[in-house]
Order: sequence, then structure tokens, then C-alpha cells
Amino acid sequence: SYELTQPPSVSVSPGETATITCSGHDLGAKFACWYQQKPGQSPVLLIYEDNKRPSGIPDRFSGSNSGNTATLTIRGTQAMDEADYYCQTWDAYTGLYVFGAGTKVTVL
Amino acid sequence: QVQLQESGPGLVKPSETLSLTCAVSGDSFSSGHYWGWIRQPPGKGLEWIGSVYPNVNTHHNSSLKSRVTISVDTSKNQLSLKLSSVTAADTAVYFCARDVGLRQLVGFDIWSQGTMVTVSS
Repeated sequence: SYELTQPPSVSVSPGETATITCSGHDLGAKFACWYQQKPGQSPVLLIYEDNKRPSGIPDRFSGSNSGNTATLTIRGTQAMDEADYYCQTWDAYTGLYVFGAGTKVTVL
Repeated sequence: QVQLQESGPGLVKPSETLSLTCAVSGDSFSSGHYWGWIRQPPGKGLEWIGSVYPNVNTHHNSSLKSRVTISVDTSKNQLSLKLSSVTAADTAVYFCARDVGLRQLVGFDIWSQGTMVTVSS
């Protein structure tokens, strides 16, 4: 099997930068994507292919992926960014599309 | 504008088969995208069930593989999920979604609103 590990929670002050990590074996050799999910809503794709943003996603969301860790960065964090964030990757070796367990971002 | 709308029973008895359909509007199964099913147990994270590239390839979560059937009906523009021998552990919100990648799996950009399915007698 293949696993992605995320911190359970991240706290950030308004206007500051939030960094969420996602770790997996040789993750940098695969594509990673990131979702935001607010309570009672469907996930929203924020980043795909490591660092691409779908149309409509603000540029304060950015992604990177190297080594064993993919990172989602939220610059100028706003109260509306309080949500759960999930990373995901396709592991061709196992044939599994894997989600991380999610990180709850709290804007204090 | 691409929209996905699921339909199906909200309550399924243990040992029976869960069946959901997902009507696709604004896109077609010949557009080159993978289409998938994802579920989320109450209060928990997302779990990928499987993805299909119509008439070419299907991938399933190995933990569910023997119980899962994913298919498309191109005449109705519908995606379907069947999960057999359900237990209470299959209680979840079920989503259908389109993968943003063309002929590859890179992330789900369009999601349905999700439908809650409870397994209970």
C-alpha cells in the first residue's frame, strides 16, 4: 500500500502564511494535488500536478513537491480559509489513488 | 458548466448492494477525462473508491476491489457505482467526480454535492 501523512492540525494568524505538509515515500516523483473542504461541502481542488491552480483559485494558494514531501502554502491567510485540507496522489505502482488523512487549518 | 448529480437510496440494509448513479451534464464520457467515486464516513477523511476511463481502463481501491463495480452509460451520460455486501462501515457520504487530467489521474476538479448513504437494518 501507499500512505500519505499530514499533520492533523495547523494554526495560523490572519494575514500570515500557513504551510501544510504531505509526506509519502518518493512523493516528489509523483504528482500531488490539494483539496479544501469546508463543513458540509464538497471538496474543492486547489492545486494539481504539484503547483497548478484551476481557474478561480486565488494565487495565494500555491504548491510544491520535492523529495518525500509536498507542501501547500496559503499566503495572507483569511478567516474564510479555515477548513480541512487534503493531499492526494496517484501511485501507479500500487494502482492506488491515495488521500492524506487531512489537516484542519484554524485561523486564530 | 459541468455538473454532477447523484441519485440513489439513502438507506441500504446490511449484506445488500449499494447502487448509486451520477448524471453528468456539460461534459461527456468521450472528453478524455477519468471519472471517479469517493466516499467520506461521518467525521472522517476522504477515501477513493475507484476511477474509470470509459471503454479503456478502470482502477479500484484494492481494499474494496472485490465488492466494487464502476461503469458508465454513455447513452444516458451516467456514471454508476455498485458496492456489494455492505456493512455499517460503508456508511458515508458518497461523491462522484471528474478528474482534471486528460487520460491520467491528477486530481478531481468537478465534484457532486454528495449523497449520504446509511447502512442499517
